[in-house]
Amino acid sequence: QKEVEQDPGPLSVPEGAIVSLNCTYSNSAFQYFMWYRQYSRKGPELLMYTYSSGNKEDGRFTAQVDKSSKYISLFIRDSQPSDSATYLCAMSERAGNNRKLIWGLGTSLAVNP
Amino acid sequence: EAGVVQSPRYKIIEKKQPVAFWCNPISGHNTLYWYLQNLGQGPELLIRYENEEAVDDSQLPKDRFSAERLKGVDSTLKIQPAELGDSAVYLCASSKGQGLNEQFFGPGTRLTVL
Repeated sequence: QKEVEQDPGPLSVPEGAIVSLNCTYSNSAFQYFMWYRQYSRKGPELLMYTYSSGNKEDGRFTAQVDKSSKYISLFIRDSQPSDSATYLCAMSERAGNNRKLIWGLGTSLAVNP
Repeated sequence: EAGVVQSPRYKIIEKKQPVAFWCNPISGHNTLYWYLQNLGQGPELLIRYENEEAVDDSQLPKDRFSAERLKGVDSTLKIQPAELGDSAVYLCASSKGQGLNEQFFGPGTRLTVL
């Protein structure tokens, strides 16, 4: 079993839909949870960052962490064609330089106009 | 502010040939990372530098891979000899090494080994 599981999709939704992306993990020591977005032929870029449990909202994006279930989610409201990309979850036990990020496979999302 | 620069963007070589990738991090970023990303996979860390020191190279296949960051700024990753299984995207990232320590990624070099 991998430390981080993420359904690779692909996920296809109509413009304006609410998108739910998820990752599960097995290491209860993970405390820092990140969502990266990666457009085709580009490197990943940090989208959302959450420490421990709870919700974090940034515009149309909401990140949720449920440590009791070892489950994290990213919600995208009013999805746009420009949101079409691969979304990778990543997590670590510690912050700072010596942390090691454990990555999911990424979920490919297509938002159709 | 310029982002992380990588070159070349694409490279096609025959197996057993050598290849080198270059990365220039964001100015002022002390920490530099090299990752390998296969299609449909997340990035896998190969090596991390703090200034000119390689502080984590445990995942670097040292029989054929080498890296250097001589002056603590730009870095080169080399493969010699390349094998078919080395075909992947090689990503470079950098960070300030403080606080959130957000990693900023370059566009990657797509390597194809024939």
